[in-house]
Amino acid sequence: DTEVTQTPKHLVMGMTNKKSLKCEQHMGHRAMYWYKQKAKKPPELMFVYSYEKLSINESVPSRFSPECPNSSLLNLHLHALQPEDSALYLCASSQGRVGYEQYFGPGTRLTVT
Amino acid sequence: EDQVTQSPEALRLQEGESSSLNCSYTVSGLRGLFWYRQDPGKGPEFLFTLYSAGEEKEKERLKATLTKKESFLHITAPKPEDSATYLCAVQAGNNRKLIWGLGTSLAVNP
Repeated sequence: DTEVTQTPKHLVMGMTNKKSLKCEQHMGHRAMYWYKQKAKKPPELMFVYSYEKLSINESVPSRFSPECPNSSLLNLHLHALQPEDSALYLCASSQGRVGYEQYFGPGTRLTVT
Repeated sequence: EDQVTQSPEALRLQEGESSSLNCSYTVSGLRGLFWYRQDPGKGPEFLFTLYSAGEEKEKERLKATLTKKESFLHITAPKPEDSATYLCAVQAGNNRKLIWGLGTSLAVNP
């Protein structure tokens, strides 16, 4: 099973709202990732958790706050977003060591109004 | 600077017309080269991992090859359902961050 699940599939939020994106994997992977993808662009890395610790933050604005409650779950908390934050948000996971492929979830389509 | 370049940007084929997509890379210490397929509005679907020059992998109508400077994704007798964007990414050194190409948008006409 190489499935990564994400909820919700679609999210519309106002600039003053607080919402969360959720991601889950049951492949025993020890690295989990959040990406942002705009139309006709490749995924853009936001955060990496390795063995449940934040290992990479690609200078993401503080209105995005990641959380890794355990090795299977990854959350992205959203607060005071801007319209330009509208995008497809992708979660991925991979084995613990560098050099292994990442498996992506279906994504959450976020629209900020 | 580490870089990945994919060509062509877009490719239109007739059903059954075989072709190849190119991914050229310039990185220090290649740890892996990855091919993904992405349908509109969906997450990338993993296809292949290649680690060293001379390596080849196949899956149905797709075959990926790797040299020291580039990778090819060969599509044999494509079908309309092969229409998608194909993304190439590399991982170098001990950095988990993938370096992505901009993708090739493939359309296969029936």
